[in-house]
Amino acid sequence: QKEVEQDPGPLSVPEGAIVSLNCTYSNSAFQYFMWYRQYSRKGPELLMYTYSSGNKEDGRFTAQVDKSSKYISLFIRDSQPSDSATYLCAMSVTGANSKLTFGKGITLSVRP
Amino acid sequence: DAGITQSPRYKITETGRQVTLMCHQTWSHSYMFWYRQDLGHGLRLIYYSAAADITDKGEVPDGYVVSRSKTENFPLTLESATRSQTSVYFCASSAKGLGGSGELFFGEGSRLTVL
Repeated sequence: QKEVEQDPGPLSVPEGAIVSLNCTYSNSAFQYFMWYRQYSRKGPELLMYTYSSGNKEDGRFTAQVDKSSKYISLFIRDSQPSDSATYLCAMSVTGANSKLTFGKGITLSVRP
Repeated sequence: DAGITQSPRYKITETGRQVTLMCHQTWSHSYMFWYRQDLGHGLRLIYYSAAADITDKGEVPDGYVVSRSKTENFPLTLESATRSQTSVYFCASSAKGLGGSGELFFGEGSRLTVL
């Protein structure tokens, strides 16, 4: 089993839809959970960052962590064509020398 | 302009040739990284550096060499390129650690094709 599994996609939704992107993981020691967004032919950029469990909201984006189920989600409300990108989950244990483990990414397309 | 820049953005080379991908950052971040991104594999860490003259292997280091004589530069060299090294390579930097405790800032990538 891979340490981090992410739905392979691709995912296509109409504009205005609520999008749910998910990752599961196997390492119960993971404490930092991130979502990176990557536009076509660009580098990833940090979108959401959560430490330990709970929810975090930023505008139309909500990151949710369920450590008991080893499951994280990113919700996008009122999705826009500008949200079309690849979304990568990433996570690590605590400590400055803890490397990030990335999911493979899911490509989202929001149709106007 | 401040940021992290990679060069070249696109490179085509032949099997057996040496190739160097350059990475330069202007933030004076201590940590720098090289990742490769391939369909079906996602982002995989090749090498990282915690400071000048300190480098360490990541998940897929074979066939690659790095150096870091200056904080701002972190070149990646493919000593004898192979077709399996055809990929998109991303350089990244971080102020606070290997990624878990701080944000990674990525360059725009170097797309390498080995014929």
